[in-house]
Amino acid sequence: DAMVIQNPRYQVTQFGKPVTLSCSQTLNHNVMYWYQQKSSQAPKLLFHYYDKDFNNEADTPDNFQSRRPNTSFCFLDIRSPGLGDAAMYLCATSNGQLQTQYFGPGTRLLVL
Amino acid sequence: RKEVEQDPGPFNVPEGATVAFNCTYSNSASQSFFWYRQDCRKEPKLLMSVYSSGNEDGRFTAQLNRASQYISLLIRDSKLSDSATYLCVVNGGSQGNLIFGKGTKLSVKP
Repeated sequence: DAMVIQNPRYQVTQFGKPVTLSCSQTLNHNVMYWYQQKSSQAPKLLFHYYDKDFNNEADTPDNFQSRRPNTSFCFLDIRSPGLGDAAMYLCATSNGQLQTQYFGPGTRLLVL
Repeated sequence: RKEVEQDPGPFNVPEGATVAFNCTYSNSASQSFFWYRQDCRKEPKLLMSVYSSGNEDGRFTAQLNRASQYISLLIRDSKLSDSATYLCVVNGGSQGNLIFGKGTKLSVKP
């Protein structure tokens, strides 16, 4: 039974065309995270929500935005994707910030 | 010094071998430590948390040395299915976010 669900699993978009990735969870965790992972690199935290409080990493480009309309759902919006934004985008949840994070299967984004 | 540092490998070992991975972290205030496993093109999955007293789960043993800011993972009797990238993960800093190492790639051969 999937606990952290990401849709779509694969997304192809055009250079500059806005795209939204979605994440939902059935764990009722209060913290949700978005990571970007490129080939052979560590996952890089973009931002996270602690309940409704949004926390942006200092080096996350303005091109990346996020919304969390309720506990279960979180969205990643890329306003104007560039070729360099092609990556795996991972959503994770945890029950508190020092606790284990559980990852969704990821969305692999391709920018043409 | 990088926040979380691992030997990238790859480690190529035969089935049945014992293999050890090491990891160092820079933030002495870190409080939580984990090993995650990531298969090719898949998401990271928790392998085990690492406790101060050390902990064991079947063939896997994790150790933490706070004084040296060092974490290790020992895999005994390696299986083909152990082939993956092993990520050392540390919580630290004021917001307690996870910091990932780049991972150590393990390849177990028949």
